[in-house]
Amino acid sequence: EVQLVESGGGLVQPGGSLRLSCSASGFTFSHYVMHWVRQAPGKGLQFVSAITPNGGSTYYADSVKGRFTISRDNSKNTLFLQMSSLRHEDTSLYFCVVGDYGRLGGHWGQGTLVTVSS
Amino acid sequence: DIQMTQSPSTLSASVGDRVTITCRTSQSINSWLAWYQQKPGRAPNLLIHKVSTLESGVPSRFSGSGSGTEFTLTISSLQPDDFATYYCQQYNTYSWTFGQGTKVAIK
Repeated sequence: EVQLVESGGGLVQPGGSLRLSCSASGFTFSHYVMHWVRQAPGKGLQFVSAITPNGGSTYYADSVKGRFTISRDNSKNTLFLQMSSLRHEDTSLYFCVVGDYGRLGGHWGQGTLVTVSS
Repeated sequence: DIQMTQSPSTLSASVGDRVTITCRTSQSINSWLAWYQQKPGRAPNLLIHKVSTLESGVPSRFSGSGSGTEFTLTISSLQPDDFATYYCQQYNTYSWTFGQGTKVAIK
């Protein structure tokens, strides 16, 4: 069974930093593109970042480019999101997602909440 | 970036109603379109991928159709468990885009 478990969220002041982690199990983590998707309270889903299986290519939403860094440790089946220069508008539930539709399927973690507030 | 326009944003319907949600993309996405259902406090659940392929375990009252830049999710006979928010998503590129969501509420 595919499992994705996010951690690292919390309350942080504007301008601060936070590192999110996503522990994966139930599939061959090193074979799949991984995504971070966020959802602000009461709002819709927003792509944040993606990383290819070997980490060689990364993709970012314009709103986080230059502030967030996605990475992965395939030896530990773990995905990361390093967030810096955080803003109020980054307040969201952050989901770790593997979307290999038609084969593995689309699987989401339960999310970790990031609150940016003074 | 590929833009997604989903409509309506909310709809009120009764059990047994036929419900249709539309999603338009700003450019062709080569049928790489998925539909998700999300209930309050839960992660999204994949219903359909590649426009019309139903995920295992998803009831057959759900169906997807469309081509080019216009796509549709249809629920043929709305059931109590279907009251939720639905999102379309393009995955033509790794930089996914989601529609704004459609909340299906009880009339």
